[in-house]
Amino acid sequence: QQQVKQSPQSLIVQKGGISIINCAYENTAFDYFPWYQQFPGKGPALLIAIRPDVSEKKEGRFTISFNKSAKQFSLHIMDSQPGDSATYFCAPTSNTGKLIFGQGTTLQVKP
Amino acid sequence: DAEITQSPRHKITETGRQVTLACHQTWNHNNMFWYRQDLGHGLRLIHYSYGVQDTNKGEVSDGYSVSRSNTEDLPLTLESAASSQTSVYFCASSESPAAREAFFGQGTRLTVV
Repeated sequence: QQQVKQSPQSLIVQKGGISIINCAYENTAFDYFPWYQQFPGKGPALLIAIRPDVSEKKEGRFTISFNKSAKQFSLHIMDSQPGDSATYFCAPTSNTGKLIFGQGTTLQVKP
Repeated sequence: DAEITQSPRHKITETGRQVTLACHQTWNHNNMFWYRQDLGHGLRLIHYSYGVQDTNKGEVSDGYSVSRSNTEDLPLTLESAASSQTSVYFCASSESPAAREAFFGQGTRLTVV
């Protein structure tokens, strides 16, 4: 069952540009919408997350936009840096605590 | 500092052998999870536990088992390793069923030949 669909699969952005990754979900029981960041050889780590009672959350250069009616949320990385090059996963969850991962987006930021 | 550790980091085994991957966390978290990561699939849930003596099947549990005899450890056993189980395995933990943030180990790369 494809509960979570993430796009694009890969993304190349110039340094200083904006990176945008999208996530669509089906399960209306999800109540926590995080993005995880993974560097090669490491486990995923929480980057930023949003609850459904707000439509946007910003932390530094990272912003989540949330559209409850469309069942979509997105990650925006402003002023993208080479150090942001990583794989990003959306992983919405409910009160079960189980993360349901998207397929992942490999981001490359060119200097 | 509290942490979650997996061992071994790399393992090569033969088809049909039983293999156990270890996961140990020092946060005293109730929830523990095992995921496998394959290209194009993201991370898929294998088994999970909400506490001692509690285990549950995830999305891709066939051929795997877990046991939870204490809070800190959730070993993952491949009963009879198959080439389709070649993957990177991640263990994760979170504080409680209601807690949302999960903390991941560094992963174990398993190759079945």
